[in-house]
Amino acid sequence: DTGVSQDPRHKITKRGQNVTFRCDPISEHNRLYWYRQTLGQGPEFLTYFQNEAQLEKSRLLSDRFSAERPKGSFSTLEIQRTEQGDSAMYLCASSFGQGAATNEKLFFGSGTQLSVL
Amino acid sequence: AQKITQTQPGMFVQEKEAVTLDCTYDTSDQSYGLFWYKQPSSGEMIFLIYQGSYDEQNATEGRYSLNFQKARKSANLVISASQLGDSAMYFCAMSLSLQSGGSYIPTFGRGTSLIVHP
Repeated sequence: DTGVSQDPRHKITKRGQNVTFRCDPISEHNRLYWYRQTLGQGPEFLTYFQNEAQLEKSRLLSDRFSAERPKGSFSTLEIQRTEQGDSAMYLCASSFGQGAATNEKLFFGSGTQLSVL
Repeated sequence: AQKITQTQPGMFVQEKEAVTLDCTYDTSDQSYGLFWYKQPSSGEMIFLIYQGSYDEQNATEGRYSLNFQKARKSANLVISASQLGDSAMYFCAMSLSLQSGGSYIPTFGRGTSLIVHP
């Protein structure tokens, strides 16, 4: 399978615990995105990497959220001190691009469904 | 502020019929891109079609076409000859530069649920 893979598919945690999700993009893709999707809503942008550099971060992103892409390949998204409002599907997407372009299509993983009890 | 508006929470269509899913957008930028993605129950978003703001012709990809009306800021998706496998959530998205000279990041609408009846 050469698509975007995310692990785990489901995560149940207790409020206050830390969780970490992993995303493996398509191997030749240099750009990686994290989105959050709640029921009945479209994906909401969280953060974006080009290679290992985090270039964009949503102003809505709490300080409890941190993302890394240490070698420009896989990425991790960590949520510290989880809250019930963090319950959502966390989607990862990747693309290949050079420069600023409007036409880059994203390839998405199947997401990690987080439930905070 | 809501950048992408999809006013139809749910749509129903008979198999083999055509259906139009509405999308309007709001931006003062001259350069932007418009996309439609499909999200089946498995959760994975699948790219369907793209339209650039400077493209004069409507985009087409097989049974999908994008009815782009720039003055009205609308980018409706038309699916012809609907199939049962088309039942899914459909999201309209616009790629915008979040900061001057920055990368173009897709922003999504709330989606439309399409159900195709046999």
